Amino acid sequence: AQSVTQLGSHVSVSEGALVLLRCNYSSSVPPYLFWYVQYPNQGLQLLLKYTSAATLVKGINGFEAEFKKSETSFHLTKPSAHMSDAAEYFCAVTRMDSSYKLIFGSGTRLLVRP
Amino acid sequence: GAGVSQSPSNKVTEKGKDVELRCDPISGHTALYWYRQSLGQGLEFLIYFQGNSAPDKSGLPSDRFSAERTGGSVSTLTIQRTQQEDSAVYLCASSSLRDLAQETQYFGPGTRLLVL
Repeated sequence: AQSVTQLGSHVSVSEGALVLLRCNYSSSVPPYLFWYVQYPNQGLQLLLKYTSAATLVKGINGFEAEFKKSETSFHLTKPSAHMSDAAEYFCAVTRMDSSYKLIFGSGTRLLVRP
Repeated sequence: GAGVSQSPSNKVTEKGKDVELRCDPISGHTALYWYRQSLGQGLEFLIYFQGNSAPDKSGLPSDRFSAERTGGSVSTLTIQRTQQEDSAVYLCASSSLRDLAQETQYFGPGTRLLVL
């Protein structure tokens, strides 16, 4: 079965600082991994996804994530935080059954200090 | 093009009442998912529809929950005899069929349900 763990329910950074949101996965088969962002009172928006084409995945808004099989990780990074990045971020893995439902981590709320 | 839409955006109901939540997927998307987002449980899968195949109902928490998808497009999630623990945001997502495992699921804005 597939699962994901997000370390840190809240992460606080200063504007301009590096953003690092952690995600570790568990999967017995090659995983498909996703990062979604949720702004207040909105639905989920895809930031980026890993589908085995390249281990370093670039997404929208300057975010990127690196798939590391040896560490079973898919951490999300951004070199310089912006105030508009404040939101909740979810890591997800595709459940490899007939429905391909997403299994989500518990989410990390990113706070950006001015 | 238009994204996934959901209605109503907010719903307040009394315990014991039935509610219906609607989802309009992206045109041409054959896969449709319902998820629930609540404080205690995070984001949970509820049900999945794919074309004319039997839906995957494995995530429905009780028999008070049901869903249908008419004409392969619009879906309605029905909660009967609502309980306070049903209070949550109900999210709908749709996806194309090309390769479901890696296809992006596009989410609607959600319906925020509050059961008093």
